Amino acid sequence: QLHLQESGPGLVKSSETLSLTCTVSGGSMISTTYYWGWIRQAPGKGLEWIGSIYFSGSTYYTPSLYSRAAISVDTSKNQFSLTLSSVTAADSALYYCARQYEVIQGAFDYWGQGSLVTVSS
Amino acid sequence: SYVLTQPPSVSVAPGETATIPCGGDNIGSKSVHWYQQKPGQAPVLLIYYDTDRPSGIPERFSGSKSGNTATLTIGRVEAGDEAVYFCHVWDRSSDHVVFGGGTELTVL
Repeated sequence: QLHLQESGPGLVKSSETLSLTCTVSGGSMISTTYYWGWIRQAPGKGLEWIGSIYFSGSTYYTPSLYSRAAISVDTSKNQFSLTLSSVTAADSALYYCARQYEVIQGAFDYWGQGSLVTVSS
Repeated sequence: SYVLTQPPSVSVAPGETATIPCGGDNIGSKSVHWYQQKPGQAPVLLIYYDTDRPSGIPERFSGSKSGNTATLTIGRVEAGDEAVYFCHVWDRSSDHVVFGGGTELTVL
């Protein structure tokens, strides 16, 4: 059974950089079938896609975060990571990592439990 | 940018059928996926590629599309179906994932 687990600081200061890692277990990230994505959810709000990465390092990002977000992959550790620079209170959210099935048009079929990030002033 | 429109809430009596719409321009040309999110939990994939169900998802959950609307249908609704439901597409024109705003299902 595939398992995804987010990890990283729960508190980040305003204007600094948020960094999160997703560790994948129960399967290899090296596959032509999947993308790996980051999605966030502000308290009481809907889902917002941040971006997705292929095992080769190819990435897609949502336009509104394109200049601040970076997603990378480390297949030797079966991990992928998100950095978000110049954070503000608006970036406070529950951050999920998820597997995207059958390439970039596909559904997110496995999700982590989420990592709560609060941006403090 | 591409927008998916969902009603904020839908209410249904137990045992009845709930329909949750997801509207979008030319949605017929896109693959639609649906998720269920219960309080305090991560989303769960319910329907992928418009109509397919992952293993373990009851047949009571089904998806369809007509015109500019995709619809999630939940038959014989149970109290345990209370959740927020999100639709999702890939917008080919801008190369990004789009989620609907979510619909909260209340079982009366």
